[in-house]
Amino acid sequence: GAVVSQHPSRVICKSGTSVKIECRSLDFQATTMFWYRQFPKQSLMLMATSNEGSKATYEQGVEKDKFLINHASLTLSTLTVTSAHPEDSSFYICSARAVTSGGALNEQFFGPGTRLTVL
Amino acid sequence: KQEVTQIPAALSVPEGENLVLNCSFTDSAIYNLQWFRQDPGKGLTSLLLIQSSQREQTSGRLNASLDKSSGRSTLYIAASQPGDSATYLCAVRWMDSSYKLIFGSGTRLLVRP
Repeated sequence: GAVVSQHPSRVICKSGTSVKIECRSLDFQATTMFWYRQFPKQSLMLMATSNEGSKATYEQGVEKDKFLINHASLTLSTLTVTSAHPEDSSFYICSARAVTSGGALNEQFFGPGTRLTVL
Repeated sequence: KQEVTQIPAALSVPEGENLVLNCSFTDSAIYNLQWFRQDPGKGLTSLLLIQSSQREQTSGRLNASLDKSSGRSTLYIAASQPGDSATYLCAVRWMDSSYKLIFGSGTRLLVRP
């Protein structure tokens, strides 16, 4: 089946530092990846759509300069939380839309998530 | 505005009960609807995906139905087990959404032994 990995699974950082989270599609290509944020006991909120080779599309209210997205290849998207603050502490989940037969075409496959804690 | 709502927010049942989780959505022009399971601190596990042309999908003890005209979907879990305890999320992809999924707030299910 289609597998999406995220690295790291957990990260703790000091306020003011930047943190990079990777999202990889392991056995299929994905021109589009999505980044979600989930606060405790709440649902997933879409932050941005990451498009391979072009700029990401951000949802309303999400600061593009704070959450930098790079989709440099068909299997990798990165989310960098810049100048992190305690309110950025959350569970970040990515998904990848399959465009090759390694996954069901156009279905989204989700990564296991990254727990970010900003002290 | 396209929104997804799930009720109840939380549910506690004794083992063996059959139960129904509800999902409603605004705007009936959906592409598909998907049910996920999320265990605490974990990612999402896809349970069932229903295309807009379908009325229901079944997998083992799970059955999901879709009524586009009324903007509703239900997830039926038969003979519930303690291992079914998790949060169940409903997500909708609309026709004009460029593959984006909009999630409901989830139902936290506890199946008591």
